[in-house]
Amino acid sequence: DAKTTQPNSMESNEEEPVHLPCNHSTISGTDYIHWYRQLPSQGPEYVIHGLTSNVNNRMASLAIAEDRKSSTLILHRATLRDAAVYYCILRDYGGSQGNLIFGKGTKLSVKP
Amino acid sequence: GAGVSQSPSNKVTEKGKDVELRCDPISGHTALYWYRQSLGQGLEFLIYFQGNSAPDKSGLPSDRFSAERTGGSVSTLTIQRTQQEDSAVYLCASSFDRTEAFFGQGTRLTVV
Repeated sequence: DAKTTQPNSMESNEEEPVHLPCNHSTISGTDYIHWYRQLPSQGPEYVIHGLTSNVNNRMASLAIAEDRKSSTLILHRATLRDAAVYYCILRDYGGSQGNLIFGKGTKLSVKP
Repeated sequence: GAGVSQSPSNKVTEKGKDVELRCDPISGHTALYWYRQSLGQGLEFLIYFQGNSAPDKSGLPSDRFSAERTGGSVSTLTIQRTQQEDSAVYLCASSFDRTEAFFGQGTRLTVV
């Protein structure tokens, strides 16, 4: 399975942008990059996903490197509610399975 | 229903008893996932159903664990002869194919 590498933890100040990195050097051509986050005491929630082009939605932006070996989740203005564990996951869209496997993620702390 | 529903929300059982955990996915979703999360730990993948394909059971920790999905909808996770190490929050999620997965609130299982 294609793996991702993320820092264990990051800190941010409230109302500042946050850039959460993810390395996936063994990504294959049919892998999509998905991001989920898990707020304290809640189940995970979807954030964003992409293949090659940068993506924006109401929650965040996803910047994907040209060689697709890394990506960055961007929270434009962190709020206290954004404190969570953020997971970067590769999903295979080419085969019959395409499971959703969570790694350890990055624990984001937001300081007021 | 509007979201993924899991029941019961809490379950306390005696060591050695069997338990059944239920997941009602979002109507029309083809994929269904089970995970468990021990206190302070990450999400451990258990099993993944995708349409009519054979389920990916590679995450089931022992033969005491089994799951089925009837009629492509409701799923039941069964744990036989429960052990104290089975205590965790069991999370279910569903998605339409490999799109955004929606998670239920989980079942907190305590084995005493």
